[in-house]
Amino acid sequence: DAKTTQPTSMDCAEGRAANLPCNHSTISGNEYVYWYRQIHSQGPQYIIHGLKNNETNEMASLIITEDRKSSTLILPHATLRDTAVYYCIPHTGRRALTFGSGTRLQVQP
Amino acid sequence: GAVVSQHPSWVICKSGTSVKIECRSLDFQATTMFWYRQFPKQSLMLMATSNEGSKATYEQGVEKDKFLINHASLTLSTLTVTSAHPEDSSFYICSAPSTAGETDTQYFGPGTRLTVL
Repeated sequence: DAKTTQPTSMDCAEGRAANLPCNHSTISGNEYVYWYRQIHSQGPQYIIHGLKNNETNEMASLIITEDRKSSTLILPHATLRDTAVYYCIPHTGRRALTFGSGTRLQVQP
Repeated sequence: GAVVSQHPSWVICKSGTSVKIECRSLDFQATTMFWYRQFPKQSLMLMATSNEGSKATYEQGVEKDKFLINHASLTLSTLTVTSAHPEDSSFYICSAPSTAGETDTQYFGPGTRLTVL
């Protein structure tokens, strides 16, 4: 799997947009960019994934650069319940996911 | 999205005893399931891949005789920690891939916290 680089931690004010960056410069052509989050003492939760086009769902938006070497997860209106560790994971197929250190997002009231 | 459950959500046991953890895919079939563990302040580490109808494959450093995996049906995989010791205390999480559209997305169980006294 491609190596990823994410900020160790970020803060965001409640109600504001949270923009979480991820560098994945060694991503393979057939790997999707997956984003998961893990709230304390829970299993990881799937958020969104994309190949090369920007994607949006009810949870978040995913912006992938044209060269696919980086992406940004956007939580449009962060709430306290969005406080979690966010993982960016290039992946394809039915293999296990490889988790890095992720970004610890703290949403402040 | 697809739902994966785990049981129990937490368990406390005495050193030397065995503990069984169940992982179920509730609304889809999973020929493959994955077992991870997570120690405090660390990320998830893959322990083994559970394959329905065949033997599990274990990651390097994970003792297959200690962590017994059985994948008896398309919706159930079990992990048994045999002769548990305090160093086995951890958060155990399972996942299963579910085909959604053009790609497989993995869904995770809520985790099982094991404490060995």
